[in-house]
Amino acid sequence: IVLTQSPGTLSLSPGERATLSCRASLSVGRNYLVWYQQKPGQAPSLLIYDASTRATGIPDRFSGSGSGTDFTLTISRLEPEDSAVYYCQQYATSPLNFGGGTKVEIK
Amino acid sequence: QVQLVESGGGVVQPGRSLRLSCAAAGFTFSNYAMHWVRQAPGKGLEWVSLISDDGSGKYYADSVQGRFTISRDNSKNALYLQMNSLRPEDTAVYYCARGQQWLIKNWGQGALVTVSS
Repeated sequence: IVLTQSPGTLSLSPGERATLSCRASLSVGRNYLVWYQQKPGQAPSLLIYDASTRATGIPDRFSGSGSGTDFTLTISRLEPEDSAVYYCQQYATSPLNFGGGTKVEIK
Repeated sequence: QVQLVESGGGVVQPGRSLRLSCAAAGFTFSNYAMHWVRQAPGKGLEWVSLISDDGSGKYYADSVQGRFTISRDNSKNALYLQMNSLRPEDTAVYYCARGQQWLIKNWGQGALVTVSS
């Protein structure tokens, strides 16, 4: 399963809404789609799993949606600390491919 | 508190071998699948390999199949990645990660492997 993320870069102001897309070449079984956040110089961290379940401690401004081949990560009100690269990954079928990432820049 | 600490990275010549280790603490290691994920400098994440909790199931990315071998020692709370026939394109930070089944939930801080003559 190949995952394509868009856009490549998103440049928004604090308080704005960010919408990130992850499209799969085949349907992702059981909606086993996860979103990670990676800040510069750090390891990735878990945000959303099973397409829409927030991980422990993740603020409710982060939400995931979608099913089948189309998935979305939404950040409802951007904060400066949300500046990062966001990756989707499917964990239904080996190989457990990642998308290419979306960089979110805060103006 | 989950702790994953990678070691064994460094500079190696093309065609040579290297073994990465990951020391796990803060959880019952034998209950969890484990992954290796890598990230080339300035690039995105690439899943490398997965091993089941008891070591019976092993999966690999096409790019490393036949060259890399994942293994674990549950008595030592340790995960390994044996990397043979290394290529310059294997240069990356290699992350050890804990899985809940196939979902990666926790990540180590990574070990840099540089393949260069």
